Amino acid sequence: AQSVTQLDSHVSVSEGTPVLLRCNYSSSYSPSLFWYVQHPNKGLQLLLKYTSAATLVKGINGFEAEFKKSETSFHLTKPSAHMSDAAEYFCVVSRPTSGTYKYIFGTGTRLKVLA
Amino acid sequence: EAGVVQSPRYKIIEKKQPVAFWCNPISGHNTLYWYRQNLGQGPELLIRYENEEAVDDSQLPKDRFSAERLKGVDSTLKIQPAELGDSAVYLCASSLSLAGGSTDTQYFGPGTRLTVL
Repeated sequence: AQSVTQLDSHVSVSEGTPVLLRCNYSSSYSPSLFWYVQHPNKGLQLLLKYTSAATLVKGINGFEAEFKKSETSFHLTKPSAHMSDAAEYFCVVSRPTSGTYKYIFGTGTRLKVLA
Repeated sequence: EAGVVQSPRYKIIEKKQPVAFWCNPISGHNTLYWYRQNLGQGPELLIRYENEEAVDDSQLPKDRFSAERLKGVDSTLKIQPAELGDSAVYLCASSLSLAGGSTDTQYFGPGTRLTVL
């Protein structure tokens, strides 16, 4: 069955340094993968999605992710962290079910950005 | 364009009381989802509607939870009676496609944080 594993529950970086949030997926076929961000008391916002068109996906706010089939990974990166990036990040795989697809969320990674 | 609207944003009730959550999806979105997000976890799907039809309610605890989506637009999720373990954030989301494809994007509301005392 399709699933995702977020390898770190908490990540701390200093402002201006790179961000790496790790996600590994399990899928019997080429999956669709998403990264969402959740700021406190706000809804989940889509950062980017992988749909097999290109392995390097660019998203909003300077984030990008690379789909690596050989490593079954879809890690999220950003060259330089900003204070406003502090939030919870979720990796999501789209799993087929009953003729359609459903989102399966990882457990989330809380990003802390230090001044 | 307005996003997904949910109300109330916060609700505190005593156990065994009923509670209801309301969701208004993005205009034109046929598919509506209700999720429950427990503290420190990712959201889990409770029910999915395509227009007014519930097409996946396998994870909805039907002994106490009910949902409806009259006229295929707004939706209400109800719990009766609430239990302590129901404390969570209840999220509503919507997407454009029926019989969603693997790449469909879901748009989420801010959620309702329920506390059961």
